[in-house]
Amino acid sequence: AQSVAQPEDQVNVAEGNPLTVKCTYSVSGNPYLFWYVQYPNRGLQFLLKYITGDNLVKGSYGFEAEFNKSQTSFHLKKPSALVSDSALYFCAVRRGVTGGGNKLTFGTGTQLKVEL
Amino acid sequence: GAVVSQHPSWVICKSGTSVKIECRSLDFQATTMFWYRQFPKQSLMLMATSNEGSKATYEQGVEKDKFLINHASLTLSTLTVTSAHPEDSSFYICSAERGSDTQYFGPGTRLTVL
Repeated sequence: AQSVAQPEDQVNVAEGNPLTVKCTYSVSGNPYLFWYVQYPNRGLQFLLKYITGDNLVKGSYGFEAEFNKSQTSFHLKKPSALVSDSALYFCAVRRGVTGGGNKLTFGTGTQLKVEL
Repeated sequence: GAVVSQHPSWVICKSGTSVKIECRSLDFQATTMFWYRQFPKQSLMLMATSNEGSKATYEQGVEKDKFLINHASLTLSTLTVTSAHPEDSSFYICSAERGSDTQYFGPGTRLTVL
């Protein structure tokens, strides 16, 4: 079985400060890891993914995430937060096997609030 | 690239009627599409995996006769909620898989059953 834990329901940060949204995972074998963002009443928007290679992955809108195999973590980061980053963030994992149709397992989501 | 659309974006229907939701990948082909349901302030619950040209695979506890899925082409999957009841009211989101590893999501459909 695979699972994702997002330990914080909400993260508050001041605009201009760095932000971190935490994610840990459990999966058999190598993981494929993803971050998505959801704005109110909208679907999920893809931010970035880790499949293989460099542990530091850069994605859309200045976001990045670091894959840490020993800690089974994939924390989302941004050096300088914007008010417009305020949204619901989901971490997701699937088994790292070739071929499509593999299910994603999502975390419970972390609400990010960036204040002026 | 990797745009997925859903139609309609919202629908209100009477109890006992059926509602069809379309999911289209606009700029890529998707052998596999997924259907999710999301309750307020909760994560996504996978309902079924839809493969082009074959029967959908439903998750445990999801009634296949109630939630009919058809994946007729590499760019279109449909979800039909049959004989809808108020407890079926929810936010339904589809995704399309591109490149066999990344799912791209539609904007969602808000279903309200009166």
